[in-house]
Amino acid sequence: AQTVTQSQPEMSVQEAETVTLSCTYDTSENNYYLFWYKQPPSRQMILVIRQEAYKQQNATENRFSVNFQKAAKSFSLKISDSQLGDTAMYFCAFMRGGANNLFFGTGTRLTVIP
Amino acid sequence: DVKVTQSSRYLVKRTGEKVFLECVQDMDHENMFWYRQDPGLGLRLIYFSYDVKMKEKGDIPEGYSVSREKKERFSLILESASTNQTSMYLCASSSPDYNSPLHFGNGTRLTVT
Repeated sequence: AQTVTQSQPEMSVQEAETVTLSCTYDTSENNYYLFWYKQPPSRQMILVIRQEAYKQQNATENRFSVNFQKAAKSFSLKISDSQLGDTAMYFCAFMRGGANNLFFGTGTRLTVIP
Repeated sequence: DVKVTQSSRYLVKRTGEKVFLECVQDMDHENMFWYRQDPGLGLRLIYFSYDVKMKEKGDIPEGYSVSREKKERFSLILESASTNQTSMYLCASSSPDYNSPLHFGNGTRLTVT
């Protein structure tokens, strides 16, 4: 069974600063994928970034990057130059290789302070 | 862009009522999912479907059923609503390629009184 743990229920960051959200997971699989989703107050879940476990290079999407540590089963999200629009719930999620459904963590509520 | 539409944003029902939550996607995706979102618990998978008339139980199927008569539509059914089913329900779809990202609707906040 897979478990995804987000140990920070809430975080805040000053506008333009950098913040890192933590995520750890537990699996016996060797082939899997990891995702970060953002859920703003509008409730629309938006894919932020995706990482394939077989790739050593950390994924990056504009101001969003991950620190993927496979041996430690850690998958943190770094948001640089935080903007007010980054205020949202952030969910870390796991997908087994060859599967289609996601296992989610409990989420981190991020507030960007002007 | 993929559009996943959930028919109701807010819904209030009484205990014992039969409740239908509807979801439609416009990208011809084979896979569709129903998740339940609760504070402190994240999202939990109720059911998913990988083709018309096909369904698979997720982690918390008890008290729910689903229907997929057409490819674009996936319905979640609460046969007899109970107060512990008060929650946010999220529908999602994805392409048949393994490990494709899920695309979500805006959610239906259901209150059972």
